Amino acid sequence: SQKIEQNSEALNIQEGKTATLTCNYTNYSPAYLQWYRQDPGRGPVFLLLIRENEKEKRKERLKVTFDTTLKQSLFHITASQPADSATYLCALEPLESGGYNKLIFGAGTRLAVHP
Amino acid sequence: DADVTQTPRNRITKTGKRIMLECSQTKGHDRMYWYRQDPGLGLQLIYYSFDVKDINKGEISDGYSVSRQAQAKFSLSLESAIPNQTALYFCATSDFSAGELFFGEGSRLTVL
Repeated sequence: SQKIEQNSEALNIQEGKTATLTCNYTNYSPAYLQWYRQDPGRGPVFLLLIRENEKEKRKERLKVTFDTTLKQSLFHITASQPADSATYLCALEPLESGGYNKLIFGAGTRLAVHP
Repeated sequence: DADVTQTPRNRITKTGKRIMLECSQTKGHDRMYWYRQDPGLGLQLIYYSFDVKDINKGEISDGYSVSRQAQAKFSLSLESAIPNQTALYFCATSDFSAGELFFGEGSRLTVL
């Protein structure tokens, strides 16, 4: 079956450390993968997009990697801050969806950054 | 004002009632989506539309219907609500292929 898996357990880290979140997928051929941030009671907010022919993307303190052989994306937040505490969702669009932005979402990983 | 506005934000209703959730956007995007979010599950696509003449079913469309009244408006209806439709519903928009989705703040629906 097709699925996207993110660690269901919360990730707790100390302020200033690098947070690394994992997104694994099976039986999809992604055209691209996106990461979103979701705060409690709010809608998801887009962070980064990485295409299937890209290995790495950076934006300020954020870095995303994409390994189509391992079928995995890693999302890193460097110099983490308590304000980074949120749930982070990964989403992919399968190649076969024809570019319709029909994203398939993982359940998300909750990150808690402690002072 | 928010770019993607959903109403109502919270609704409690009873089994068998008809419910409409409304979404309007000021981003000028052609593509609009309705997703459902349940605890511990990923967002699931209910319906999507690429213009007023284009409506498509997503992965969980049973029990739901939609109407695209204008480019800026996309409504989700539950003709006869049931308790397992209790969830957080999100409307989203995008403007081109492989683009980001812009989400509304969500509509929390409870069916008793």
